[in-house]
Amino acid sequence: GGIITQTPKFLIGQEGQKLTLKCQQNFNHDTMYWYRQDSGKGLRLIYYSITENDLQKGDLSEGYDASREKKSSFSLTVTSAQKNEMAVFLCASSMGDRGTEVFFGKGTRLTVV
Amino acid sequence: GEQVEQLPSILRVQEGSSASINCTYENSASNYFPWYKQEPGENPKLIIDIRSNMERKQTQGLIVLLDKKAKRFSLHITDTQPGDSAMYFCAASASYQGGRALIFGTGTTVSVSP
Repeated sequence: GGIITQTPKFLIGQEGQKLTLKCQQNFNHDTMYWYRQDSGKGLRLIYYSITENDLQKGDLSEGYDASREKKSSFSLTVTSAQKNEMAVFLCASSMGDRGTEVFFGKGTRLTVV
Repeated sequence: GEQVEQLPSILRVQEGSSASINCTYENSASNYFPWYKQEPGENPKLIIDIRSNMERKQTQGLIVLLDKKAKRFSLHITDTQPGDSAMYFCAASASYQGGRALIFGTGTTVSVSP
């Protein structure tokens, strides 16, 4: 088995601040994802990456940047935090992007004050 | 973008009864439909999935049905127990520029009372 580690677990930011969330996986998976989870809205795809240095936009990419520095890590940057924003950001990975199990990390909970 | 609709958003059942969650999707090219269970403070975990070459799949008290013509799939939890209380998400594979990823429904909070 493997594990997906997200850091930090909790992140408090100021309005307008640039914030970076990090994710590491030791499954040796090719594909990694960032989803945002809001209450009542399910999980929405921000960015995903099929392989190292690849980057694909999801439905919610506006206001975010991402970077797949190496196969095992995928970071997400909130370019300008919005006041009163609260959400959980979930990192995930899978062997491929075609019908294989997607494994999730435990999330980073963001609060913007 | 493509959407997956999931209903109901809240489901309260008595222990021992069954619980059903329904999802619909838009893209006829979707071919993979997983279901995830998320307990409070935990990450979503895969509980069962079905591919487009099947209509029914069953495992350990869970049944999933897929109707490709209607673009509808459903999860049925038989003989519910308090441990089945959680948030459940359906998902469908979707095409994005350069590849594929899962689109998730908005979730169903299942509450099983003794």
